[in-house]
Amino acid sequence: DVKVTQSSRYLVKRTGEKVFLECVQDMDHENMFWYRQDPGLGLRLIYFSYDVKMKEKGDIPEGYSVSREKKERFSLILESASTNQTSMYLCASTFRLSTDTQYFGPGTRLTVL
Amino acid sequence: AQSVTQLGSHVSVSEGALVLLRCNYSSSVPPYLFWYVQYPNQGLQLLLKYTSAATLVKGINGFEAEFKKSETSFHLTKPSAHMSDAAEYFCAVTETSYDKVIFGPGTSLSVIP
Repeated sequence: DVKVTQSSRYLVKRTGEKVFLECVQDMDHENMFWYRQDPGLGLRLIYFSYDVKMKEKGDIPEGYSVSREKKERFSLILESASTNQTSMYLCASTFRLSTDTQYFGPGTRLTVL
Repeated sequence: AQSVTQLGSHVSVSEGALVLLRCNYSSSVPPYLFWYVQYPNQGLQLLLKYTSAATLVKGINGFEAEFKKSETSFHLTKPSAHMSDAAEYFCAVTETSYDKVIFGPGTSLSVIP
């Protein structure tokens, strides 16, 4: 059974803190994605990666960075958390193409106080 | 540019009634279309996918969707709603030359006993 796991289900941080969200997939997928989900806005792409050490900006990369040192792991970093980054963060992976099925993790609900 | 609209951010149906969730897309080339479902406190999972093989696509849990090029639509239907269908539903679009998927804003489905 395919699996995408995220390091935390719920996270509470303070403004200005550095925040790490980790995602691991066990399917040997090449592509990995970070989205944020907000009511009425659907899923918005923050960053994606199509190979180890490769990354591409999505639609809303400001205030975020990513790291992919190993194929199975994709980390999202909030360098200095702000209250407007309070959201649900979803990680996903696909085998190779955008037309492949995306497999999602359970999400991390981040609250920044 | 690709985009997805979902008419109705919230839909309520009675148990046993027809479910109809609307999705319209814009794409300059033949699209790949998806419906994903998100149950409470979970990540998204694929319901069904259109890849140009057949215009009527059957998915899991009794759902199906019909691709209508002339209407640029990909509406999701289920003949008889079940309580377990209560969830958020997302329509999404991509193209073979594209490196990411565009998600719609989502429709929350409530099923009334």
